[in-house]
Amino acid sequence: NAGVTQTPKFQVLKTGQSMTLQCAQDMNHEYMSWYRQDPGMGLRLIHYSVGAGITDQGEVPNGYNVSRSTTEDFPLRLLSAAPSQTSVYFCASSVTSFQPQHFGDGTRLSIL
Amino acid sequence: DAKTTQPNSMESNEEEPVHLPCNHSTISGTDYIHWYRQLPSQGPEYVIHGLTSNVNNRMASLAIAEDRKSSTLILHRATLRDAAVYYCILRDVVDNDMRFGAGTRLTVKP
Repeated sequence: NAGVTQTPKFQVLKTGQSMTLQCAQDMNHEYMSWYRQDPGMGLRLIHYSVGAGITDQGEVPNGYNVSRSTTEDFPLRLLSAAPSQTSVYFCASSVTSFQPQHFGDGTRLSIL
Repeated sequence: DAKTTQPNSMESNEEEPVHLPCNHSTISGTDYIHWYRQLPSQGPEYVIHGLTSNVNNRMASLAIAEDRKSSTLILHRATLRDAAVYYCILRDVVDNDMRFGAGTRLTVKP
């Protein structure tokens, strides 16, 4: 049972490039979410999904797109990378939005 | 989401109990108190949650004040592996989002 898998683990981008961070879970969880964590700070919610075909914005959605075509996958797209998006990105899933969330190991993203 | 207040940092000695406080004076009647922790270079992990009564699980205990305006996460015997940032979060069952604060950084000394 792999849990929540995030790829890649590390990535360096140039300003203006686009990229998709992948998140997959094998627990048949309906709820999935994306957070970013800047150095020395807590996590901030970017987008979340309560089920396939349903997504909504969190606290810091600007510059990011998401889609949820399957229960298992919840990719996060950076449309035009900016240095302010340098951060560690975490994906999480749970049975419902209220149940304990399972987090991936994170993607460390640097934008030059 | 209602706001929580936690100390920035705490220290403990190995194999001693640790009491991590959280103040939430504006908690509503339907807010549950959730605790997560984040070990270095890892994603957060769920620890425990409760509504009114004290709760115990294999990781920790949660003591909730009678007026629910504060709570305490109790680690009964701290180990070096318990060194982490601990987050206290209020969540209503109808909330679809979860907001993290800055948390408490726990240092465990051998």
